[in-house]
Amino acid sequence: DAKTTQPPSMDCAEGRAANLPCNHSTISGNEYVYWYRQIHSQGPQYIIHGLKNNETNEMASLIITEDRKSSTLILPHATLRDTAVYYCIVRVDGFAGGGNKLTFGTGTQLKVEL
Amino acid sequence: DSGVTQTPKHLITATGQRVTLRCSPRSGDLSVYWYQQSLDQGLQFLIQYYNGEERAKGNILERFSAQQFPDLHSELNLSSLELGDSALYFCASSVRGHYTDTQYFGPGTRLTVL
Repeated sequence: DAKTTQPPSMDCAEGRAANLPCNHSTISGNEYVYWYRQIHSQGPQYIIHGLKNNETNEMASLIITEDRKSSTLILPHATLRDTAVYYCIVRVDGFAGGGNKLTFGTGTQLKVEL
Repeated sequence: DSGVTQTPKHLITATGQRVTLRCSPRSGDLSVYWYQQSLDQGLQFLIQYYNGEERAKGNILERFSAQQFPDLHSELNLSSLELGDSALYFCASSVRGHYTDTQYFGPGTRLTVL
């Protein structure tokens, strides 16, 4: 899987947008960008994913640059409950070997404060 | 609630013992994944099953084994336990096991080896 780079920590004021960056400069054409988060030792929670186009769902928006070498997860109105570790993961078709596992890095610890 | 269930929530045992962790996937999901999260290693993929057959292995120790039953639930067996096996163990499931599938995680089992 393509390697991703994320800042280790970020702070955000409650009610403001949280913009979490991720670099994946070695991404290939068929690799998807997935975002998960983990709130204090709970099971990782799926947020959003995309291939080329920007995506939006009820939780967040995902902005992927045109060259696909980086992306940004946007939580439009962060709340205290959004405090978590956010993981950016690039997924490649693993049926040729290695399975379709998720490879988690160290993620970004987002702290939302009053 | 992801729809993936894991039992037990907590498990405390002694070194040298054997334990079994259980996972029930979301309704309709054919693929099950096991992950281990320890303080020093982060979230790591252990093994994937698809419709009863092993699909991929990660960094799973030989002392660990898993299986997926005809009703699609899965069990992870950990034997000859060592202190270092203390960790959170997560199960995830997805529809087909394809790399474009979203994996949904259960709440985890916290294993403490004394």
